[in-house]
Amino acid sequence: AQTVTQSQPEMSVQEAETVTLSCTYDTSESDYYLFWYKQPPSRQMILVIRQEAYKQQNATENRFSVNFQKAAKSFSLKISDSQLGDAAMYFCAYSSPYSGGGADGLTFGKGTHLIIQP
Amino acid sequence: DTEVTQTPKHLVMGMTNKKSLKCEQHMGHRAMYWYKQKAKKPPELMFVYSYEKLSINESVPSRFSPECPNSSLLNLHLHALQPEDSALYLCASSQDRAELFFGEGSRLTVL
Repeated sequence: AQTVTQSQPEMSVQEAETVTLSCTYDTSESDYYLFWYKQPPSRQMILVIRQEAYKQQNATENRFSVNFQKAAKSFSLKISDSQLGDAAMYFCAYSSPYSGGGADGLTFGKGTHLIIQP
Repeated sequence: DTEVTQTPKHLVMGMTNKKSLKCEQHMGHRAMYWYKQKAKKPPELMFVYSYEKLSINESVPSRFSPECPNSSLLNLHLHALQPEDSALYLCASSQDRAELFFGEGSRLTVL
């Protein structure tokens, strides 16, 4: 079974600065997907960024980028120029393409609560 | 605007009530999911309906029962719930077993 670990329960950053959220995972599969989801107090889970394991290039979406280290099984999220609207819970998640019709859903880490200081 | 619609957004029910949570997706996805989420915890998978097959997390009690009238709807029927069932219930859909797209959630309170 796959596991996802987020070792930072809470992080705080000054507005306009850069912050990195950590995520490690454990799997025996060679092909998989990794995601970062954001969940603001409004509660909807919003996909921030996606990475396919077979792609060596790190994914980027505007101010959000990842550092994907497949050998180390590490998948950190960097948020540049932090904004007040970035305040939320951030979940790292794993998806297996071999889960037989999606029956396993996503495996989530425990989450990191990101606070943005004005 | 979300393409996964959940109703109601808030529900308060007694332990003897029967109620339903509804979920509809408008993206033509072939898989739909129900998750339960407690405060400051990650979502926990309850049910998956994928390619016309229902998968159930064995730890989910029978007082929760899913219903899939068609490929775009996945309802969750609630009966004789307990106060510990109070939580945020998230519906999601996916295509090709990759990322999930979530609805806004239904906040359930059991008195």
